[in-house]
This record gives sequence, C-alpha cells and structure tokens, in this order.
Amino acid sequence: EAQVTQNPRYLITVTGKKLTVTCSQNMNHEYMSWYRQDPGLGLRQIYYSMNVEVTDKGDVPEGYKVSRKEKRNFPLILESPSPNQTSLYFCASRSNGDGIYGYTFGSGTRLTVV
Amino acid sequence: RKEVEQDPGPFNVPEGATVAFNCTYSNSASQSFFWYRQDCRKEPKLLMSVYSSGNEDGRFTAQLNRASQYISLLIRDSKLSDSATYLCAVKADAGKSTFGDGTTLTVKP
Repeated sequence: EAQVTQNPRYLITVTGKKLTVTCSQNMNHEYMSWYRQDPGLGLRQIYYSMNVEVTDKGDVPEGYKVSRKEKRNFPLILESPSPNQTSLYFCASRSNGDGIYGYTFGSGTRLTVV
Repeated sequence: RKEVEQDPGPFNVPEGATVAFNCTYSNSASQSFFWYRQDCRKEPKLLMSVYSSGNEDGRFTAQLNRASQYISLLIRDSKLSDSATYLCAVKADAGKSTFGDGTTLTVKP
C-alpha cells in the first residue's frame, strides 16, 4: 500500500529534550515536506526537500532541523523543544514529475511539550 | 493578508443540497491548485487537483479563475459522509505549497 508513515503518533516531552519525528514514504517520491497544524493558523510549512540532500526552509522553520540522506526518509528534529512547538505535525510527499501532483500525508504526530 | 484565504464557515446544509466553497490566492504566479478533505483529527487527503479548464469527479466540480485569482469547489447532492473540513492548496513554485485554513461543512439529515 502506498503510504507515508510517521512515528510516533503521540508524544509528550519536556522542554529542552531533543526529539526526532520520523517520516518514511514508499512511493519513490522526490519531494517531501513537513507541516504543522494549529487551531486558527491552519497548515504551515516547516521545511521541504526537493530530493536527496536538497532541503529548504518553509514558512516556520525556526526551532526545527531536517535531513534527507535517503529518498524515502525525511526526519524532523527538534533540538531543544519548547512549549510553542506543541502542535499536530504532518509529513507529506509527492512526485516532482510533470503534471499536477498533490500530496500524500502521513497520519500525523501530536506533540505536546511541557 | 494571507496568501490563501477561505471562508471558514461552518456551512450547515441538508442532505441533497448543493454547496460551493471559494478560495482566493494572492500570488499571481501560482501554478498548481488542489482541494483536500480533512476529517477531524486526521490527515488531509487529496480530493482533486484543479485544472485550468475545470474538472469534475462524480459529484465534485472544481474550477479555476486565474483572472480573479480564486478556485472553487462545488459539491452536488451532498451526503452525510461529505461532512469534513475542505482545504484548498496553492503551489507557487516548485517547492512551497500554501494551504488555506479550511472550510467546515456539516451535512445534516
């Protein structure tokens, strides 16, 4: 089954404790992206990657890091999480090919930083 | 002003009704347009890509108006199962995609 897999689904952590949210896709998609979704603010793009070793900032990159060492994986790293990073996070992927391609999203990671 | 704006609703309609959502975007260089559906606390799922000439998928019709910079989604013969939040998304360049905040639809018996 074609899918984007995020882990963990739920995470409660303390301020300052480094964490990584993993994201993996099995569709051979070149493009991957991370979004956070907050009430009243919608989906906001954190980082995206056009292909392996190519990453770029989205609209809200502060406090986050990403890496793209393999095509299928795009982890999101919070080096020193803070309470304002409490949010619902989605990883998404799509093809870069010709044509209009929408995203396939992962099931989401609900992060609480206390 | 937000890059992509939607009427948040909620839209409450009876079964069988026709309902339309609009989404305006500010970047005239926008290239690709999409509608997604999001059920409560779940991930968005692609509903339709929006083509320049408009396109239809069953009860759903999407339109693009580049001159006025908006896209629309029409749902005919609404079903209870259509209740969800509908997000529009706009891609202006190869990398970034911007989403609207979503329009909530509730279809009632």
